[in-house]
Amino acid sequence: GAVVSQHPSWVICKSGTSVKIECRSLDFQATTMFWYRQFPKQSLMLMATSNEGSKATYEQGVEKDKFLINHASLTLSTLTVTSAHPEDSSFYICSASLSGLQETQYFGPGTRLLVL
Amino acid sequence: SQQGEEDPQALSIQEGENATMNCSYKTSINNLQWYRQNSGRGLVHLILIRSNEREKHSGRLRVTLDTSKKSSSLLITASRAADTASYFCATKNSGGSNYKLTFGKGTLLTVNP
Repeated sequence: GAVVSQHPSWVICKSGTSVKIECRSLDFQATTMFWYRQFPKQSLMLMATSNEGSKATYEQGVEKDKFLINHASLTLSTLTVTSAHPEDSSFYICSASLSGLQETQYFGPGTRLLVL
Repeated sequence: SQQGEEDPQALSIQEGENATMNCSYKTSINNLQWYRQNSGRGLVHLILIRSNEREKHSGRLRVTLDTSKKSSSLLITASRAADTASYFCATKNSGGSNYKLTFGKGTLLTVNP
């Protein structure tokens, strides 16, 4: 089956620093990748949709200048949390699909971010 | 508010029993999917049911969809301790160019040995 990896799996950083999270599709080319955020005991909230080679589409209420998304290749998307604050502490999960119209999304294992 | 709302929020059963989780949604959908998430891990796709389907089976899983009531149910038969996880429904709304999923709040299932 399709495999999606994320790196790092967890990260602790100081307030004010920037953190980059990578999402890779290991055995398929992902035209579309999605970034979600999940707070403890809550559901996944879509943050943005990125298509390879174009700008990401952010959901309402998500600051694009704070959560920078780059999808430069068909196998890699990155999410950079800039000037992280404690309220950014969360579980960040990416998913990938072969195309924006494909029904199935393959999810990565998630990255836990703790901002001190 | 969430597109999908699961109930119950938490369910605790004994191994061997059946577990039923429900999901309701608000808008017209293209399909509805169920996912499983073990604590602190990513999501695993379980089953997808399209808007023109009423029931679907996969192993010990049975999913129903009632578009008139905008609701779906997930039944896990003969549950096992390893089924302990959170279960989420997710809907793909009709229309739109990207495959955006909207997740419900989830049901935390605990299967006691």
